[in-house]
Amino acid sequence: DAGVIQSPRHEVTEMGQEVTLRCKPISGHDYLFWYRQTMMRGLELLIYFNNNVPIDDSGMPEDRFSAKMPNASFSTLKIQPSEPRDSAVYFCASSSWGGPNSPLHFGNGTRLTVT
Amino acid sequence: QQPVQSPQAVILREGEDAVINCSSSKALYSVHWYRQKHGEAPVFLMILLKGGEQKGHEKISASFNEKKQQSSLYLTASQLSYSGTYFCGTEMSDNAGNMLTFGGGTRLMVKP
Repeated sequence: DAGVIQSPRHEVTEMGQEVTLRCKPISGHDYLFWYRQTMMRGLELLIYFNNNVPIDDSGMPEDRFSAKMPNASFSTLKIQPSEPRDSAVYFCASSSWGGPNSPLHFGNGTRLTVT
Repeated sequence: QQPVQSPQAVILREGEDAVINCSSSKALYSVHWYRQKHGEAPVFLMILLKGGEQKGHEKISASFNEKKQQSSLYLTASQLSYSGTYFCGTEMSDNAGNMLTFGGGTRLMVKP
């Protein structure tokens, strides 16, 4: 089991640039989640997908953020244009089903720094 | 809606015990516990469903008091490997779609 795979591990970019974060969930998992972690706000849910369909994106901070899941094995989180306040660690997580007894499996995260 | 964790930080000597609490102002359907080591991803520890059950994982156990809308994580005879930040994640009774809301975390440091 390869686990949830995220790329890149680190991303440093300048304000105004487009940033794309990538995630490959565990095979067979129907749910995929994007979280953002900062010291000030902790772990925040941005958006989640069920069977590749976005279910709730109420946590997406602004229109600058968008997420897609074109197939069951790949998702992207895009920020365009990026701003310094977007600096954070972005985690992707997947779970096998959406019930309350389903643990989240997190990827190793992407540390984004926007200068 | 974010659950409140206490304490925010705790320092232990190896072999000592600790309790971490997670409280919600709303009714809970389930509580998840995760541990995150510095620079790593959160790792799942256990899930508790409403009903007041208690679960254990080696020397780490947890309880869920549905009436108080509170869960507690118990770490007994702590080991150096227990160091990290512990997060609880809660699901509200009216939303069983696995949308977890995480608490602010409790930083645990175990010293030799």
